[in-house]
Amino acid sequence: AQRVTQPEKLLSVFKGAPVELKCNYSYSGSPELFWYVQYSRQRLQLLLRHISRESIKGFTADLNKGETSFHLKKPFAQEEDSAMYYCALSGYSSASKIIFGSGTRLSIRP
Amino acid sequence: SAVISQKPSRDICQRGTSLTIQCQVDSQVTMMFWYRQQPGQSLTLIATANQGSEATYESGFVIDKFPISRPNLTFSTLTVSNMSPEDSSIYLCSVGTSGSQPGELFFGEGSRLTVL
Repeated sequence: AQRVTQPEKLLSVFKGAPVELKCNYSYSGSPELFWYVQYSRQRLQLLLRHISRESIKGFTADLNKGETSFHLKKPFAQEEDSAMYYCALSGYSSASKIIFGSGTRLSIRP
Repeated sequence: SAVISQKPSRDICQRGTSLTIQCQVDSQVTMMFWYRQQPGQSLTLIATANQGSEATYESGFVIDKFPISRPNLTFSTLTVSNMSPEDSSIYLCSVGTSGSQPGELFFGEGSRLTVL
């Protein structure tokens, strides 16, 4: 079964502290993994894709196929990082549907 | 990218009634999806809206309850039929464009329905 698990509903860290939002998945095949973000009063939007291997707003995420994980990390949290973060997966086909995790609310304390 | 407009943005409905949500995109798109986000829950895919043919529904969702239309490549509607309080959710329209990569979806602002 295809599934995305985000074990933390809420993560609160101090500004400047490292952040790690956990994501585990199950998928029969080779999935594409993503992180989506929703800032307050804004639309859900794509943050980064594993295949791009890029850092967006200081965030990175490495796909670990052995552990079936795709954790999102940032070494120094900023207040503007406070948002709802969703891990998501799809197959490689452009027609593949996207499955979302339950989301983690990240709160950065000043 | 794509700009998506959803109407209504919110509504309060009576049990047993039906409501149609509209989704308008500023460009022609190949893929259009409808998601539901119940309070405190994740986004759940309801169906893929196919232009010129019936929508493809996910497990647990049926056409009688969530009829979908997609008359062209820029517009779709989702109807929530015979509503009950359990249908209180945010309903989201999302699209994938021909220039976007797999998994890159653009979302509308959502339609927040409250069923009394």
